[in-house]
Amino acid sequence: DAGVIQSPRHEVTEMGQEVTLRCKPISGHNSLFWYRQTMMRGLELLIYFNNNVPIDDSGMPEDRFSAKMPNASFSTLKIQPSEPRDSAVYFCASSLLGTETTDTQYFGPGTRLTVL
Amino acid sequence: KQEVTQIPAALSVPEGENLVLNCSFTDSAIYNLQWFRQDPGKGLTSLLLIQSSQREQTSGRLNASLDKSSGRSTLYIAASQPGDSATYLCAVLATNKLIFGTGTLLAVQP
Repeated sequence: DAGVIQSPRHEVTEMGQEVTLRCKPISGHNSLFWYRQTMMRGLELLIYFNNNVPIDDSGMPEDRFSAKMPNASFSTLKIQPSEPRDSAVYFCASSLLGTETTDTQYFGPGTRLTVL
Repeated sequence: KQEVTQIPAALSVPEGENLVLNCSFTDSAIYNLQWFRQDPGKGLTSLLLIQSSQREQTSGRLNASLDKSSGRSTLYIAASQPGDSATYLCAVLATNKLIFGTGTLLAVQP
């Protein structure tokens, strides 16, 4: 398996623009996670899907952020409008079940977002 | 609120040394604790997962211990190699969320 795939790997945009990050989880995995990593706050969970349904979005910073998972093999994280403080590395991860304590999450390579 | 802390923030050791990385958490109500490795510009790779009922896990030169009552975990790396240089993160699973520590940046000098 190719692992978790994220695109783009790097994104540079101007403040106010819409940004869409994409993720393809490992085939057969039922849970998908979006994380954000910054120097100040470390790695934070933004939202978690199980069987394509959002289970916990309490980490989503504000209404400018939205995430979808239209099917088991694709998810998007959208920021509209983007702001400089959104600059971070965004990771997508997937796991087989997501609810078992023995589950391991497999991380993608991340998307480095820079908002000017 | 669960908080996870890692000490030290950075560590530099000569090749061949044994070393210990520390992780502490404030709430002992966890399901498991995991250690991850992160290489520059890359995602995280899971190294070891310790269930809350377990005391330790081993994989090759790595050994992780868990003392849930005191809120502590250690990652022991034996006979360190330059290829071990990376950031090591611990994370606790609580209420379906992984909560990460701030990481320890390890540099193993050849």
